Amino acid sequence: EADIYQTPRYLVIGTGKKITLECSQTMGHDKMYWYQQDPGMELHLIHYSYGVNSTEKGDLSSESTVSRIRTEHFPLTLESARPSHTSQYLCASSDGQGSNQPQHFGDGTRLSIL
Amino acid sequence: KNQVEQSPQSLIILEGKNCTLQCNYTVSPFSNLRWYKQDTGRGPVSLTIMTFSENTKSNGRYTATLDADTKQSSLHITASQLSDSASYICVVSDRGSTLGRLYFGRGTQLTVWP
Repeated sequence: EADIYQTPRYLVIGTGKKITLECSQTMGHDKMYWYQQDPGMELHLIHYSYGVNSTEKGDLSSESTVSRIRTEHFPLTLESARPSHTSQYLCASSDGQGSNQPQHFGDGTRLSIL
Repeated sequence: KNQVEQSPQSLIILEGKNCTLQCNYTVSPFSNLRWYKQDTGRGPVSLTIMTFSENTKSNGRYTATLDADTKQSSLHITASQLSDSASYICVVSDRGSTLGRLYFGRGTQLTVWP
């Protein structure tokens, strides 16, 4: 099992609230990722980071923001939650150069905006 | 357009039976293909990775095949167990960037009945 942790696992919250989804990994991986996954659909990359102070937007446009101040920590923030943000958010990390290294996933945060 | 298509969308089999899941892709240039298992409420876990030169790889009761010419892969599960019930996701990586852009299929939902 990979050592990557996401909190909270479930969150139900009202519209307009500020939300921060936490993701931490203890493997010392440089690369970290945030994905959005809806039931029966493929994972969509919304943010990634090559290392400290590096953040990039992914393929799927998202109103969320991320930060990477420490190697092990990659939180995702929604300034004002809306019902359209309801989804599952998966965090992942990987090591090494190139694409042959596996991504290790956390167990996700299931977010519901009322 | 780079795509990953999986079939069937869902599958129900009896415990002890074998099954084969399919993955067709149009991703180019190709770097590797990985099969992930995602249990309900958990993050995906890597089962196998296959590069261009490999055509078969096993991991216990899981055997993946790759035909890079026809751009097809399969995941064969032998002597299925109840714990095999999960979504199996095919992920293809290209060689277009250092990040190794990942293309996700929508998964095959496998249910194993006793």
